[in-house]
Amino acid sequence: EPEVTQTPSHQVTQMGQEVILRCVPISNHLYFYWYRQILGQKVEFLVSFYNNEISEKSEIFDDQFSVERPDGSNFTLKIRSTKLEDSAMYFCASSWRGSNQPQHFGDGTRLSIL
Amino acid sequence: AQTVTQSQPEMSVQEAETVTLSCTYDTSESDYYLFWYKQPPSRQMILVIRQEAYKQQNATENRFSVNFQKAAKSFSLKISDSQLGDAAMYFCAYRAAQGGSEKLVFGKGTKLTVNP
Repeated sequence: EPEVTQTPSHQVTQMGQEVILRCVPISNHLYFYWYRQILGQKVEFLVSFYNNEISEKSEIFDDQFSVERPDGSNFTLKIRSTKLEDSAMYFCASSWRGSNQPQHFGDGTRLSIL
Repeated sequence: AQTVTQSQPEMSVQEAETVTLSCTYDTSESDYYLFWYKQPPSRQMILVIRQEAYKQQNATENRFSVNFQKAAKSFSLKISDSQLGDAAMYFCAYRAAQGGSEKLVFGKGTKLTVNP
């Protein structure tokens, strides 16, 4: 069964550095999402992306964050200048279409900011 | 804003027994979707079951079924004949059906332990 894949599985970065988290959504899916989960807290929505543009973003998704689909397969989340509070598990998800279609999740990338 | 509450941080069940995980939510919408996701240790979240709010019939998927009480805004998950492989974090999630929002709103999760 097709899967969403995320790389790396664990990223350690110094505070203030830029980090790029990568995701390969399921190939025929059209909607892409990023979520994050700070340790011990809920999974929180960050952003959704459709037709090469952001369709929705949360308050968390400030100017430090950006997303891109640089080619036909990858979907990336960039954090420009990381802060300690960005340490979390970041999940990528995709769905064939929105609304009633389920979102399929990747294994996540654990981001640790030192 | 919609919220999802899972009041049981941890649950345990004996193998082959039945367990029910609780979930309540708050919304002013009349049409929406509810989901249960399972996340085994160090693995991706997998969709277990989905319920459409306009459907009165409770969804079932093999050993997994839900008790959807729309008026009470309750959406519990029942796992029958529990197996060791059911051990995981279980997340309840809500998504609006209209208004353009695609985001899932998650509960905090319930860690299920299955004892042999």
